[in-house]
Amino acid sequence: DIQMTQSPSSLSASVGDRITITCRASQSISNYLNWYQQKPGKAPKFLIYDASGLQSGVPSRFSGSGSGTDFTLTISSLQPEDFASYYCQQSYSAPRTFGQGTKLEIK
Amino acid sequence: QVQLQESGPGLVKPSQTLSLTCTVSGGSISSGGYYWNWIRQHPGKGLEYIGYIDYSGSTYYNPSLKSRVTISRDTSRNHFSLKLTSVTAADTAVYFCARDHRGGLGWFDPWGRGTLVTVSS
Repeated sequence: DIQMTQSPSSLSASVGDRITITCRASQSISNYLNWYQQKPGKAPKFLIYDASGLQSGVPSRFSGSGSGTDFTLTISSLQPEDFASYYCQQSYSAPRTFGQGTKLEIK
Repeated sequence: QVQLQESGPGLVKPSQTLSLTCTVSGGSISSGGYYWNWIRQHPGKGLEYIGYIDYSGSTYYNPSLKSRVTISRDTSRNHFSLKLTSVTAADTAVYFCARDHRGGLGWFDPWGRGTLVTVSS
């Protein structure tokens, strides 16, 4: 299985900050990398597909980049509703696997 | 707009079989080329992929669970189901169903709300 490692595991930031979350794959996955946001007690919400494609309805302050083994999710100006956990997921090979998550907290 | 909803017992005894159903509304599970998935999340932990059943009825299971998992469907009721045998406390988790884009190797959207299953005597 392809292992996905996110960093940091947790992050404290303030409204208006720019933050970046990193996801690293244990082997090259081309651009087959997706991102989700999850709030407590809720299902994950799909944000970004194929490393940089923004899902319809997702605010433009979210962006993704990367290819091969290293990927990033950037939120350009944090809003109060962005404080949540974020997960990456590879869709290069079966079984699909997720990163362990990054918890974004208010400073 | 497609919506998914999980249902089933919230408490299962050790060694028994966990059975959940995902009811789909707003679209047919047997058309559109979509794949229908189960994913779980242990309390306070990350997400683990379980498997799928596709629009034709073909299935795929995560090798880590393959010996204990069956995913089936009832097209007349437009739902698909998960059975996990010989459960232990390690199977306590929130179980989600989700639709797959791109033929079994895509992203998951939308998701059901999830249902907590606790394995305990």
